[in-house]
Amino acid sequence: AQSVSQHNHHVILSEAASLELGCNYSYGGTVNLFWYVQYPGQHLQLLLKYFSGDPLVKGIKGFEAEFIKSKFSFNLRKPSVQWSDTAEYFCAVNMNTGFQKLVFGTGTRLLVSP
Amino acid sequence: GAVVSQHPSWVICKSGTSVKIECRSLDFQATTMFWYRQFPKQSLMLMATSNEGSKATYEQGVEKDKFLINHASLTLSTLTVTSAHPEDSSFYICSASFNRASTDTQYFGPGTRLTVL
Repeated sequence: AQSVSQHNHHVILSEAASLELGCNYSYGGTVNLFWYVQYPGQHLQLLLKYFSGDPLVKGIKGFEAEFIKSKFSFNLRKPSVQWSDTAEYFCAVNMNTGFQKLVFGTGTRLLVSP
Repeated sequence: GAVVSQHPSWVICKSGTSVKIECRSLDFQATTMFWYRQFPKQSLMLMATSNEGSKATYEQGVEKDKFLINHASLTLSTLTVTSAHPEDSSFYICSASFNRASTDTQYFGPGTRLTVL
């Protein structure tokens, strides 16, 4: 079965530190890739998505992600985090079979200390 | 834009009763709506996909008669948990999208926490 792995369950950083959250998926076909964020007390919001073209995708709030097909990865990065980035981050994959089914990772809780 | 609401935000019910959860797209017409379930410290698991005016498509292992989904309009989908039991206690989240393409963004509601006593 297709699966999505987020190896970092909890990450603690100081403000201005760089961030990289890992996401790997298991599926050999074409995929569409998403990162969602859930700020405390809020609903899931889309950070960025990739479905074709340049494998380096830029999203909102200074986030970016790189799709590396050979590694089945879609890692999320931000050069300098802020306290307001404290949230839970979910990677999700759609297997591009014509349906919109998203398979989510277990999420990574990021705490940024001021 | 693209706001999705859910009602109620939390509900407590007795075992054996049925509970209805509403999911509304407030400022757009949603061709497709999705229902997810999230257990503590686990990821969101898709339960079913519903397209307006047609029967929902359930994921493997999800009981259709247990989790009734109705998508009667382009702005409303409902999930009814019938004869709820304690093991149905969970966080239920809906999402909605404008179209049916696999690249379309899903917009998520805030979730409903169901506790069955």
